[in-house]
Amino acid sequence: EDQVTQSPEALRLQEGESSSLNCSYTVSGLRGLFWYRQDPGKGPEFLFTLYSAGEEKEKERLKATLTKKESFLHITAPKPEDSATYLCAVLGNYGQNFVFGPGTRLSVLP
Amino acid sequence: DSGVTQTPKHLITATGQRVTLRCSPRSGDLSVYWYQQSLDQGLQFLIQYYNGEERAKGNILERFSAQQFPDLHSELNLSSLELGDSALYFCASSRGLAGEQYFGPGTRLTVT
Repeated sequence: EDQVTQSPEALRLQEGESSSLNCSYTVSGLRGLFWYRQDPGKGPEFLFTLYSAGEEKEKERLKATLTKKESFLHITAPKPEDSATYLCAVLGNYGQNFVFGPGTRLSVLP
Repeated sequence: DSGVTQTPKHLITATGQRVTLRCSPRSGDLSVYWYQQSLDQGLQFLIQYYNGEERAKGNILERFSAQQFPDLHSELNLSSLELGDSALYFCASSRGLAGEQYFGPGTRLTVT
């Protein structure tokens, strides 16, 4: 069974204090790993897709990386507007549905 | 704005009742997915339709059913509602059978 865990559960940063969020996964053949951002009461917003170990994607202050067992979402010099819950999901070879992790709740203080 | 629309935005109903949630996918997307998100749980996959046919089932209760119509919009029907069904219900769509999914704004269901 495909499984996804995320750490930490919650993270508080000062504005400008860079950090990383972790997504660890167990899957029977990875077809894709997906990062989403979710604001309270809103639908998840797609950020990145990663397909193979060593791949990296960047968007503004966010950079996602992938290894064979985990993915990291690096946040460089975060701003208060980066405060949200960050979700990762995997799609395995034997499933057509995403398995989502529980998310990391990020708060960036001014 | 993801291009996925959901109605209604909010729904308040009583236990035992039946409701229908509606979703229109992004233009060109053939797959529609339904998810449930409760306060104490993450996103739980319910069901997927692709071009009108059911393709995958997750943790969907027998009291819940869904369908996708020829114009590709989808409806999720929830019946014999219980207090525990109170949650955010999201619809997502993708171009093909798999790949990145784009989520709608959700319907907040409150069962009293």
